[in-house]
Amino acid sequence: TQLLEQSPQFLSIQEGENLTVYCNSSSVFSSLQWYRQEPGEGPVLLVTVVTGGEVKKLKRLTFQFGDARKDSSLHITAAQPGDTGLYLCAGRGEYGNKLVFGAGTILRVKS
Amino acid sequence: NAGVTQTPKFQVLKTGQSMTLQCAQDMNHNSMYWYRQDPGMGLRLIYYSASEGTTDKGEVPNGYNVSRLNKREFSLRLESAAPSQTSVYFCASSEVGRGGDTQYFGPGTRLTVL
Repeated sequence: TQLLEQSPQFLSIQEGENLTVYCNSSSVFSSLQWYRQEPGEGPVLLVTVVTGGEVKKLKRLTFQFGDARKDSSLHITAAQPGDTGLYLCAGRGEYGNKLVFGAGTILRVKS
Repeated sequence: NAGVTQTPKFQVLKTGQSMTLQCAQDMNHNSMYWYRQDPGMGLRLIYYSASEGTTDKGEVPNGYNVSRLNKREFSLRLESAAPSQTSVYFCASSEVGRGGDTQYFGPGTRLTVL
């Protein structure tokens, strides 16, 4: 069974601070996705990374896929209260079409 | 487009009762999924349907059944609800893109089993 471990589980920071969320596994993934979920809603896809070492930027969010395709990180620069939510990473195995989700990181940005 | 819709939004059941969660998508996607979300455990796949007429078990299928009624609709049935099935249930549909499927989620059904 492929597992994805996210850290930290919970993060509470002040507006304007930077933060990084990590997603790690001992398994290789063909692709990795990051989702953001707000209370009472379903997850919404932020990004998909496919190539080892790939870096993608989405405004103040930077996503990186590890060289060995076993880990990923999400870095937020100058966090805003609107970034508050649950961040989930999800990996797709090399031979399957199902996603495996991490447990999530709850981010709270205080103004 | 409404995207993925789920009914009901909330439900309270007594142990042993049955119910069906409904899901529909209007994006003409082939694949549909049912997940449950529990605190500290992320999303776990219950069942999925790669195309109309096919269904397959996911990680936690016990106690559930599904029906892919047509391309748009995918229902999840609890035949005899148990307290361990208290959870938030999400339906999703997907389209194939670079790197695989992009999944679109519904707003969820919050189920409590007493």
